[in-house]
Amino acid sequence: QSVLTQPPSVSGAPGQRVTISCTGSSSNIGADYAVHWYQQLPGTAPKLLIDGNTDRPSGVPDRFSGSKSGTSASLVITGLQTEDEADYYCQSYDSSLSGSVFGTGTKVTVL
Amino acid sequence: QLQLQESGPGLVKPSETLSLTCTVSGGSISNSDYYWDWIRQSPGRGLEWIGKIYYSGGTYYNPSLKSRVTISVDTSKNQFSLKLSSVTAADTAVYYCARLRSRLNTLEYWGQGILVTVFS
Repeated sequence: QSVLTQPPSVSGAPGQRVTISCTGSSSNIGADYAVHWYQQLPGTAPKLLIDGNTDRPSGVPDRFSGSKSGTSASLVITGLQTEDEADYYCQSYDSSLSGSVFGTGTKVTVL
Repeated sequence: QLQLQESGPGLVKPSETLSLTCTVSGGSISNSDYYWDWIRQSPGRGLEWIGKIYYSGGTYYNPSLKSRVTISVDTSKNQFSLKLSSVTAADTAVYYCARLRSRLNTLEYWGQGILVTVFS
């Protein structure tokens, strides 16, 4: 099945900057469909973190930012905090599915 | 605030049909700006899109599951449902329902999820 590729894990000390990549293909990100990011805390459902490549929903801290270029997208956490320790997933539309495709997920660890 | 709540059996036997319902509160399922999705998450397969339905009944399914999936909607009850037939252990997962904003394909709101175990 179609998937978006993410690194399994990233880590950083409090206050540091970490970047999570999300690589797709010509049927999803490369076809200029929007990329969204979700944060999943242990035992909970994913929560929308970045909407439409770059937009933060109300209540999301501005240390989270997103970008997209070509067939890839990135989530950056600037000023990492202990409460940011979670799993992060990217998501886009895939024309071969006529539906959503998800990233493989990245676990962020705060050292 | 929109809320979604999954309900249904937590245990299903192999070869039987998994049936779940998502109840939407705080908003109408008949809003033309949205689709209503089912997604599942298992340790071995991550997040997997199962399918979606529009309030008028139009559906799209993941091709990998299409032969076994049926999603339906009941606007009078503000609910939509999932049926997955001929289940195996590989269908053991947490199943989520979610609201999809059509314009950018954003999964704005998620239910809390329900663990379904296929177990004989």
